[in-house]
Amino acid sequence: GQQLNQSPQSMFIQEGEDVSMNCTSSSIFNTWLWYKQEPGEGPVLLIALYKAGELTSNGRLTAQFGITRKDSFLNISASIPSDVGIYFCAGLTSGTYKYIFGTGTRLKVLA
Amino acid sequence: DAGVIQSPRHEVTEMGQEVTLRCKPISGHDYLFWYRQTMMRGLELLIYFNNNVPIDDSGMPEDRFSAKMPNASFSTLKIQPSEPRDSAVYFCASSRTLAGGGREQYFGPGTRLTVT
Repeated sequence: GQQLNQSPQSMFIQEGEDVSMNCTSSSIFNTWLWYKQEPGEGPVLLIALYKAGELTSNGRLTAQFGITRKDSFLNISASIPSDVGIYFCAGLTSGTYKYIFGTGTRLKVLA
Repeated sequence: DAGVIQSPRHEVTEMGQEVTLRCKPISGHDYLFWYRQTMMRGLELLIYFNNNVPIDDSGMPEDRFSAKMPNASFSTLKIQPSEPRDSAVYFCASSRTLAGGGREQYFGPGTRLTVT
């Protein structure tokens, strides 16, 4: 099915470094969601964005809804080992209830 | 509040057998979604319900797959007969519309299905 372009596909970083990842789409969305998935578990909702330009934080995580409404960004500051996992974005267009998911960014943090 | 509950967490079955996956959505959520996740295809939406009514089943792979939601607190995804290519992690998720019109979706822990 349709998927968002999410980049990078994977990242290996040192503990304490900041992380940035993004999702882009050819479609305009009115909702962006960011999830984290750990091995053997379901995706856990981190941040929800509903408005173009919106910037929302959840602890060390900050996500932004792009002005064009076709992209979104997630930043993690001062990474720690427990940030390891796969981060997914999901977008929702107006008038539909079918979320479209990104391909995921696999994050590994080296202590 | 309890999150989305799925059972079983793991299922191993032989090809040709019937498999039933179960889901209890978050109380008060009026949308329920079934997804399948594989390494090759990522997260795929199979079907979703609104107020117990199936709205879009275009993602259901074939007639071997069926889903029901007999009430607001229970849904099943059935595969009959199962095939090895059905091996995947199946997730149930639920959502509701927030006061401002936003919609957040919450996932269950998933059922890992292995068909031998």
